[in-house]
Amino acid sequence: DAGVTQSPTHLIKTRGQQVTLRCSPKSGHDTVSWYQQALGQGPQFIFQYYEEEERQRGNFPDRFSGHQFPNYSSELNVNALLLGDSALYLCASSLRGDEQYFGPGTRLTVT
Amino acid sequence: QKEVEQNSGPLSVPEGAIASLNCTYSDRGSQSFFWYRQYSGKSPELIMSIYSNGDKEDGRFTAQLNKASQYVSLLIRDSQPSDSATYLCAVNKNAGNMLTFGGGTRLMVKP
Repeated sequence: DAGVTQSPTHLIKTRGQQVTLRCSPKSGHDTVSWYQQALGQGPQFIFQYYEEEERQRGNFPDRFSGHQFPNYSSELNVNALLLGDSALYLCASSLRGDEQYFGPGTRLTVT
Repeated sequence: QKEVEQNSGPLSVPEGAIASLNCTYSDRGSQSFFWYRQYSGKSPELIMSIYSNGDKEDGRFTAQLNKASQYVSLLIRDSQPSDSATYLCAVNKNAGNMLTFGGGTRLMVKP
């Protein structure tokens, strides 16, 4: 049974560029949540997708957007990258938002 | 006041001892509580969930919840060096939605 997968593993971008991160949920899960984790801190909630709709959003600017596809996979897009966007981006999948299981994460570095 | 608070540690215990990790939360309406373990450079791994007052045991782990005191704890019995990691407490204010994380407690188990 495949767990949550994310791609790419690492990414280096320049300030002002745009980035797309991808996530495939665990088999049988229908909900995908995205989190940002800065070094030494706990993950911060970005948004959650269920039935291809954004169900809830955290305190992140509109530069952060997402999408969920019919097969439940999801993308996180960040526009106009800032240095402060450098972090570990985590995708978590769950069945209707209950226990959330994290993927390995994408390490984004903005230079 | 942070929504979810944990002592950052490090908490150092000898091998074979009981490690006690604590977490307090501010929203009395919180419904679900989770403990995650995060090794350095890795993503969080769900180890325990608890939904009602009292104790919940799973192997060497026991989660304890006291909603009146807004307090949740994790006990690790017979601590092993492989338990050395950061332990994240997470709270779900509404069933099925976003997790709010504490900053994590770093646990060091010394042989």
